[in-house]
Order: sequence, then structure tokens, then C-alpha cells
Amino acid sequence: QVQLQESGPGLVKPSQTLSLTCTVSGGSINSGGYYWSWIRQHPGKGLEWIGYISDSGRTKYKPSLKSRVTISTDASKSQFSLRLRAVTAADTAFYYCARDDTTGLFDNWGQGTLVVVSS
Amino acid sequence: DIQMTQSPSSLSASIGDRVTITCRANETIRKYLNWYQWKPGKAPKVLISSASNLRSGVPSRFSGSGSGTDFSLTISSLQPEDFATYYCQHMFIAPYTFGQGTKLEIK
Repeated sequence: QVQLQESGPGLVKPSQTLSLTCTVSGGSINSGGYYWSWIRQHPGKGLEWIGYISDSGRTKYKPSLKSRVTISTDASKSQFSLRLRAVTAADTAFYYCARDDTTGLFDNWGQGTLVVVSS
Repeated sequence: DIQMTQSPSSLSASIGDRVTITCRANETIRKYLNWYQWKPGKAPKVLISSASNLRSGVPSRFSGSGSGTDFSLTISSLQPEDFATYYCQHMFIAPYTFGQGTKLEIK
């Protein structure tokens, strides 16, 4: 059973870069047939898909976030990462990593991590 | 972006009740609709994919239906472990979007 676990700072200052890592266990991030995604949930609000990276390194991002987002992988560590630049308070959210079976179905999720943007 | 409208936002029900949650897209998404269950402190779980396909290991009391713009998730007989928050999500085309969620509470 594949498991995903988010990690990273819980507090980021405005204008800085939010960096999170998702560690995948029980399966290879390079096995093919999956996209590795980030999704966030603003407190008390709905879920927002941020983007994904494929096993070949192809990325796709939500257009409204594209200018600030980078998703990358480190296959040697079975990890993929999210970088969100120039954050503001509006980026305060629970961040989830998830596995997409390439159809847009998120069949495995991490438990999420709260990131607060505040000085 | 395709907008997903889920209703109700909250629902109180009793053990054994039959409940239905609806989800509407603002344009057709054919059958590209998934349902997830969220419980505090746990990883979200996919229940239904492609509008009506019950995922492996999910109890048969859960069912999904619909196509085009209107969808529903039905729990035929509520069990204690079903009290959670439920989200719909379209996978028609990126960016994928979610409904606002339905919190199912014990009456």
C-alpha cells in the first residue's frame, strides 16, 4: 500500500518561498502510470488543485498559480516537492500531496500539513 | 475553470438513514466525477470514481450516479463510521476542481 507523507515548515513569512516535500513509501515514484500532485485547502474553505508532475518530469499547474509554482521530484529519495514563491496570507492552507492515476483521480493522499503565512 | 456546486453543505442524520448528497457542474463533465470521504486527521479516501464506480474495499452501501452536470452520492444505511465530510471532484480537464464539501453529522 502506497503511503504519502508531507513535511516542511509550518510557518512562512510573507514574500518568501513555501517549500514542502512529499515522501512516498510502499511504491516507486518512477514506476510510471501516475502523476504526483499537490492540493491545498484554505481553512474553512474548499479544495484547490495546485498541479502535478509525471514520472517523466512533465508538469501541469493551475493557471492562476503557474507563475509562482514549481513541482519537482527526487526519485533517489522517492520524494516530490512543492515550491510556491512570493507567498501572502492568502496562501495559508492545509497542503496535501496525492497520487493521481493520470486521469485526475486522486487515489492516495497524505494526511496534509498546515502552512501559515505570517510575519 | 469548471465550477462544482455541492449540496447540502451540512446534513444531520441518524444511524440507518438513507442520505443523498448532490453535486452540480456548471458545464458538462460527462461522467468524469469522483467522490471522496474526509475524516479529521486521516488521509482522504476515494469512494466513487467516474460517477458510479465503487472503489475496491468501499462498502456497497455507498453508490454514485449521474452524468453530464448532475451527480449524486447515496449512502443507503448510515453507519457510525460514515460521519465525515464528503467532496465531489471533476476530472474532465485540468484544472480539476472540487465541491465545497458536505459535512455529515449525527442527529
